[in-house]
Amino acid sequence: GAGVSQSPRYKVAKRGQDVALRCDPISGHVSLFWYQQALGQGPEFLTYFQNEAQLDKSGLPSDRFFAERPEGSVSTLKIQRTQQEDSAVYLCASSLAVYEQYFGPGTRLTVT
Amino acid sequence: AQRVTQPEKLLSVFKGAPVELKCNYSYSGSPELFWYVQYSRQRLQLLLRHISRESIKGFTADLNKGETSFHLKKPFAQEEDSAMYYCALPQGGSEKLVFGKGTKLTVNP
Repeated sequence: GAGVSQSPRYKVAKRGQDVALRCDPISGHVSLFWYQQALGQGPEFLTYFQNEAQLDKSGLPSDRFFAERPEGSVSTLKIQRTQQEDSAVYLCASSLAVYEQYFGPGTRLTVT
Repeated sequence: AQRVTQPEKLLSVFKGAPVELKCNYSYSGSPELFWYVQYSRQRLQLLLRHISRESIKGFTADLNKGETSFHLKKPFAQEEDSAMYYCALPQGGSEKLVFGKGTKLTVNP
């Protein structure tokens, strides 16, 4: 079946622009996670949803980052007033069973 | 806070040689641990988890609580094993994962 999809796959933004990154989880998956992966690093947790409820947003680096999942399916990660340090790959993962996270291909964000 | 350390950024072996990718963790209690793999131009995927105790693609990993380690091993490496490998554990009793920085394994012909 279809896996987790993310769009766009690549995004170049000028510093100060707002961006929106989309994640389509596997159908029926209750949990959805966002991770940020900087160059040469492992993924770092940003935020987590169970259905439409955002249960944990402790990893969001600043109030410029905002995530939503209004209908418990598709999720959007929004970054306002992008900065160069926001350049990274943003990974989305979904899961049905505990700890079995399926990852999307990621969105590579480059802020110039 | 839980931490995962992968001391080797790069590891290079020849085909047919044994390979061990190191992972150390900090956690008090009985952790659930995972190895994820990312092949070139593919997405991150689960390779194996501690609790299932199974061998995937010839890889095994044993939890050593005394040494707080969860090293990934394979007796005979293959060229198709070349990839980035990440060790991970859940943080704070939740489902969110803490990842190590990863080890890039290259298996030479």
